Amino acid sequence: GIQVEQSPPDLILQEGANSTLRCNFSDSVNNLQWFHQNPWGQLINLFYIPSGTKQNGRLSATTVATERYSLLYISSSQTTDSGVYFCAVGFTGTASKLTFGTGTRLQVTL
Amino acid sequence: NAGVTQTPKFQVLKTGQSMTLQCAQDMNHEYMSWYRQDPGMGLRLIHYSVGAGITDQGEVPNGYNVSRSTTEDFPLRLLSAAPSQTSVYFCASSSMPEIYGYTFGSGTRLTVV
Repeated sequence: GIQVEQSPPDLILQEGANSTLRCNFSDSVNNLQWFHQNPWGQLINLFYIPSGTKQNGRLSATTVATERYSLLYISSSQTTDSGVYFCAVGFTGTASKLTFGTGTRLQVTL
Repeated sequence: NAGVTQTPKFQVLKTGQSMTLQCAQDMNHEYMSWYRQDPGMGLRLIHYSVGAGITDQGEVPNGYNVSRSTTEDFPLRLLSAAPSQTSVYFCASSSMPEIYGYTFGSGTRLTVV
């Protein structure tokens, strides 16, 4: 069935380290978003990236739609990067309905 | 203030009570959705709407009703609350999901005792 899988499920980093989060999806998509859920529960929209590459400061994302995966890169991590990162996709023909992965929980320590 | 506004932020209900979670957006977005998030999980779609007067079910619609009488508002109704509906509820909106993606509200934390 339709699936969105994220890896790793948990990640602990020291401040200043880099990391790569992965999202695999089971079918073609025309909507893909990365979110950061902070410790207060707010969902922050990081990227809308159904294909291609985007960068915003220390964060960047790449989606290779033909190979059905997306990557989120965090460079020079900071403690404020802690939280859960979700990938959400809208599969082709159902772009109005997002399917979320189970997330990657990131903890950045001093 | 542009964005998606959810009220209330917190609510405690007794089993069997009814209530409506409010969601409003001032961006003239046609697409609106309701999701629930249970501990340690991603969000799951409850109901969605592609315009005023048009709604459809998502992945977990049982126990919830919606209506869309205006573009701005998309209320979620619990007719008879159950402990299994204890969750955090998020509302989202978009003008064109396949071009701009969705914007999410700040959530409503609901506890049913």
